[in-house]
Order: sequence, then C-alpha cells, then structure tokens
Amino acid sequence: QSALAQPASVSGSPGQSIIISCSGSGSDIGTYNRVSWYQHHPGKAPKLMIYEVIKRPSGVSNRFSASKSGPTASLTISGLRAEDEADYYCCSYVPGGPYVFGSGTKVTVL
Amino acid sequence: EVQLVESGGGLVQPGGSLRLSCAASGFTFTTYWMAWVRQAPGKGLEWVANMKGVGSEKYYVDSVKGRFTISRDSARNSLYLQMNTLRADDTAVYFCAREATVTPYNFDYWGQGTLVTVSS
Repeated sequence: QSALAQPASVSGSPGQSIIISCSGSGSDIGTYNRVSWYQHHPGKAPKLMIYEVIKRPSGVSNRFSASKSGPTASLTISGLRAEDEADYYCCSYVPGGPYVFGSGTKVTVL
Repeated sequence: EVQLVESGGGLVQPGGSLRLSCAASGFTFTTYWMAWVRQAPGKGLEWVANMKGVGSEKYYVDSVKGRFTISRDSARNSLYLQMNTLRADDTAVYFCAREATVTPYNFDYWGQGTLVTVSS
C-alpha cells in the first residue's frame, strides 16, 4: 500500500484559509469513510484533528474542518494562526492493511 | 489523563536487535487496540504494527513482517515492539499510539516517541 499523496508544503498568512489535499484510490479513501488527520509539531506527540472524514474530537478548534470527494480527502484550516504551523498527515484505514498515512504537508504561516 | 511513554530506543548495529516499550496509563489498557507508528528522518509517518486489546490478533506492515513482533502485557499496562535483524531503513522515531474504540479506525492518543538509529 503506497502512501497517500499530499502536497509537500502549503503556506498562508495569518487569518487566511488553506486547504490540504490527500489523494488516495478507490480501495482506500474512495471506499471507506475512515479518514483521519493529524497535526504534528516536530519533537511532540502527533495530535488527532479529524476522524471519520469530517468529525472533530472534543477540544479541537472549529477552525479545522474536512471533507471528502471520491478518492480525495481535504483538510481546511480557517483563520490561520501562528500555532497552526506544523506538519499535517492524513490517514486511511484499509481492511487488511490496515492503515496508510499520507506523505505529509508542512504548513507555514507567513 | 491518558499517557503513553515510550522507551528503549538507541543506537544499534545493522543486524542487531532492540526492544521498545510503551507504558500506558489513564485508561483501561485491555479495552484498546494499540499500535506502533514510525517516522524516518525527513520522512512521513508510517504505521508499523498493531495489536488487539485482548487476544493475539495483530497486524504488521510488509516491510517488518518476520523481523518485528508486537506484544503487550496487560498486568504491566505495557506495549512492546521486539525488533530483530534491524536495517538502516528502520532508523526512525517510533511512536506508540492508542486506537480509538468508540469511534474506531484512528489514533486518539500518541506518545512522544523514542529514537532508533541503526548504524555501524
């Protein structure tokens, strides 16, 4: 199972919105609503931001939202803040796999 | 408070072995699937293995099958990863992660990781 494809980097100014894409296939994202997103500040523990494609865990800001269309999932960060600067990874559950992560996207706040 | 604390990383020669541990606290350990996820230097996250809370059901990524063994000790609330025949491309930070149970198929808590370096 190859890594899901994400852009290497995305940047935006404070207050702007950015979108991170995550491209899979019909055998992972396209079939299962088991996509999650993680925020990772290097040296820290990764943090769950989104699960089951669109759901936010308790305590995660509503500035983070997500969606899916066919084999592509997307994470939107609205009202970009300095503390959002981190690496972001998508992940899909695939029966028998069972997990495949995206290649990761570095978000830079200009 | 859920806590996951990894230990056991270090420098090991190619072909050598290492055993990682993850001490879990703040939740009923046997209720949850647990996993190891790694991040090689400059690379992204890669799921390595996971294991059911009770019983022996476990899964591995193809690249570690036959070399790594995941296990757990419910009495000690600990997860382990025995790594044998290590290769340079196993060099990574290894994270212990809990798989959510009410809304499964994601990792709701992670440790900070332990670094494994395979080099001569």
